[in-house]
Amino acid sequence: LAKTTQPISMDSYEGQEVNITCSHNNIATNDYITWYQQFPSQGPRFIIQGYKTKVTNEVASLFIPADRKSSTLSLPRVSLSDTAVYYCLVGETVTGGGNKLTFGTGTQLKVEL
Amino acid sequence: NAGVTQTPKFQVLKTGQSMTLQCAQDMNHNSMYWYRQDPGMGLRLIYYSASEGTTDKGEVPNGYNVSRLNKREFSLRLESAAPSQTSVYFCASSERASSTMNTGELFFGEGSRLTVL
Repeated sequence: LAKTTQPISMDSYEGQEVNITCSHNNIATNDYITWYQQFPSQGPRFIIQGYKTKVTNEVASLFIPADRKSSTLSLPRVSLSDTAVYYCLVGETVTGGGNKLTFGTGTQLKVEL
Repeated sequence: NAGVTQTPKFQVLKTGQSMTLQCAQDMNHNSMYWYRQDPGMGLRLIYYSASEGTTDKGEVPNGYNVSRLNKREFSLRLESAAPSQTSVYFCASSERASSTMNTGELFFGEGSRLTVL
């Protein structure tokens, strides 16, 4: 079973708010939820991380309901430069204390004028 | 700080040749990872190392070997390269938020683009 499920793609226009939801039904008690942004030919870049409720930084907000089985990345007033693939990631603790971090398929966000 | 450094950035191999991708991080992180990303696809975990001296298989370990040389360095070796291993390889490192809480904050290198003919 995949650890995370996201929409494959989303389209938006400049200036709009974009919300990308990720499902992670099997999240463990000690897992954070982390979102990354990836541009072509680059490694993913950290956007935001949270454990519960709401987290906000200078680029995004992250909403996590009480059951933590999903999370929503909110990008306010997107611009063309926000066109990228967005991944949500939760960890998987394995024997020995390792943190097996596997990515899902990601969401391709396309922002148009 | 340089962060995560990968070498080489580009490499072309013939089928059956071997090579090693090098990765080093200067953030004193315990955990290190190797991912591959095929064109238009997501990242797939090859191997990871939770701490110095330990390595574990990820989603797609076949055809690869790894060595966690020390806390800073984590290398990925292709013993007999195949065209199916043509991909971009990313090394990453991370640290746990605490002794009991995981963290998914990964710091990535710039990638190594490998072509196997």
